[in-house]
Amino acid sequence: KQEVTQIPAALSVPEGENLVLNCSFTDSAIYNLQWFRQDPGKGLTSLLLIQSSQREQTSGRLNASLDKSSGRSTLYIAASQPGDSATYLCAARQGGSEKLVFGKGTKLTVNP
Amino acid sequence: GAVVSQHPSRVICKSGTSVKIECRSLDFQATTMFWYRQFPKQSLMLMATSNEGSKATYEQGVEKDKFLINHASLTLSTLTVTSAHPEDSSFYICSARDRGSGSGKYNEQFFGPGTRLTVL
Repeated sequence: KQEVTQIPAALSVPEGENLVLNCSFTDSAIYNLQWFRQDPGKGLTSLLLIQSSQREQTSGRLNASLDKSSGRSTLYIAASQPGDSATYLCAARQGGSEKLVFGKGTKLTVNP
Repeated sequence: GAVVSQHPSRVICKSGTSVKIECRSLDFQATTMFWYRQFPKQSLMLMATSNEGSKATYEQGVEKDKFLINHASLTLSTLTVTSAHPEDSSFYICSARDRGSGSGKYNEQFFGPGTRLTVL
């Protein structure tokens, strides 16, 4: 059974700092891994999707990496801004399935 | 493109009543939609997979008679929480997969904005 863990559960940083969010998964047989942003009381905004054959994906100040063999993914946020404050979720899609298994998320606060 | 809507965004109901939540794909057709539930400070948990024109597939531990799913068209799936109780209070989120993308490993699910259910 796939389990997805995100560390830390919460993170507070000053504006402008670069930061890394971590995601680990127990079953490496995944199709892809996806990072989402969730604002309080809101739905999910997809940030980056990394296919199992890829090592990383970039979008603006965001860079996500994937290491299937070690069961890890990281989300790197450069030059953080207060508007980046949100909960970041990672989700692994199981091979042979459409099921997404989510972590509990990392709540990020960027202080002005 | 790839917009998914949910209605209502928020609902408060009395214990014992039934509540229907709609999930619509606005600019694409979705043969498959997914229903998730999120309790406070917890991760999203898949409840069921909704397939157009056929019965939904429920995850282990989810009562199919309590959470009725109907996927009558390629753009609409509904989740009805029957005889709701306070423990059913949660954030319900749906997602949809574009019919044209198939079930291959490169497809992506698009998420709705969620529905906050509060049962008094």
